[in-house]
Amino acid sequence: KQEVTQIPAALSVPEGENLVLNCSFTDSAIYNLQWFRQDPGKGLTSLLLIQSSQREQTSGRLNASLDKSSGRSTLYIAASQPGDSATYLCAVEEDDKLIFGTGTRLQVFP
Amino acid sequence: GAVVSQHPSRVICKSGTSVKIECRSLDFQATTMFWYRQFPKKSLMLMATSNEGSKATYEQGVEKDKFLINHASLTLSTLTVTSAHPEDSSFYICSTRDPYEQYFGPGTRLTVT
Repeated sequence: KQEVTQIPAALSVPEGENLVLNCSFTDSAIYNLQWFRQDPGKGLTSLLLIQSSQREQTSGRLNASLDKSSGRSTLYIAASQPGDSATYLCAVEEDDKLIFGTGTRLQVFP
Repeated sequence: GAVVSQHPSRVICKSGTSVKIECRSLDFQATTMFWYRQFPKKSLMLMATSNEGSKATYEQGVEKDKFLINHASLTLSTLTVTSAHPEDSSFYICSTRDPYEQYFGPGTRLTVT
């Protein structure tokens, strides 16, 4: 059974820092991996999607990497801003289903 | 990407009543929609996969008689929480998918008193 874990569970940093959020999964037979952002009480916003054949994707200050063989993905946030404060979720897709990690609650303070 | 709406965004109901949540795919014909549930400070858990014109597929541990799913058209799926109890209070999110990724609705906060 696929299990997705995110570390750390919570993170509080000053503005301007570069951050790394980690996601690990137990079964490497995934179709793709997505990173999402969730603001309190809101739905999900897709940030980056990495197909299983890809190793990384970039969008603005965000960079996500995927190492299928080791079951890991990282989300790198450059020059963090208070507006980046949210919960970040990773999810792997297998058998047409998304399996979510437990999330990392990020707070960036001015 | 596809745009997904949910209605209502927030609902409070009394224990024992039923509540219907709508999920609409606004610009995309969705043969498949997904329903997720999220407990406070927890991740999303897939409840069921709804297929247009056929019965939904429920995940293990999800009561199909309690969480009724109807996917009557390519743009609308509904989740009805029957005989709601306080433990059903949660954040419910639906999603659709194109061949490459999923698109999520804004969620519905259900509170059962």
